[in-house]
Amino acid sequence: DGGITQSPKYLFRKEGQNVTLSCEQNLNHDAMYWYRQDPGQGLRLIYYSQIVNDFQKGDIAEGYSVSREKKESFPLTVTSAQKNPTAFYLCASSMTSGSVEQYFGPGTRLTVT
Amino acid sequence: GENVEQHPSTLSVQEGDSAVIKCTYSDSASNYFPWYKQELGKGPQLIIDIRSNVGEKKDQRIAVTLNKTAKHFSLHITETQPEDSAVYFCAASKGSGTASKLTFGTGTRLQVTL
Repeated sequence: DGGITQSPKYLFRKEGQNVTLSCEQNLNHDAMYWYRQDPGQGLRLIYYSQIVNDFQKGDIAEGYSVSREKKESFPLTVTSAQKNPTAFYLCASSMTSGSVEQYFGPGTRLTVT
Repeated sequence: GENVEQHPSTLSVQEGDSAVIKCTYSDSASNYFPWYKQELGKGPQLIIDIRSNVGEKKDQRIAVTLNKTAKHFSLHITETQPEDSAVYFCAASKGSGTASKLTFGTGTRLQVTL
């Protein structure tokens, strides 16, 4: 079963704790992305990475961190500095040449209380 | 940066009718316009896309049109079915040769009633 996997599907944390969301893809895509989705809103880009060991801030990077040590993995850490972390987090991937369609994982719903 | 506006925010149609969702974008350099369908609790699914070198693209009951001069593009769904009920997002990007940063509209909740 190929595609993008995100785990866990639901995640609960106490305020003040850092939490890491997992994203793995076996599509051999070069680029990976993290988006945040809030109720009734569109998706907003947090971070993206075009190649291994390189990543760029998106529109709402404050309070988040990422790493890209392997082509297939792009974990997102939601730090305690993120003021409103409760949201639905979506990971996506794409090629960087030729076809540039982005394909999304199933998402992780994070609730911080 | 790019700004994408999407209308309407909700749309209710009867089964068998057509549905049209419209988006406008601000950056004339944008050249790639995908549409995504998102079902409750799931990730968005790419359903159709169009590039700036074409004006229309069809895939069975789904079509997308692009007007570069006016900077707007639309999704057309014909012969709607209950399984078409979902939230639809449009997006725009300048992606080619690099990571394609997508800017999304705020979504349209489509409900197809029997």
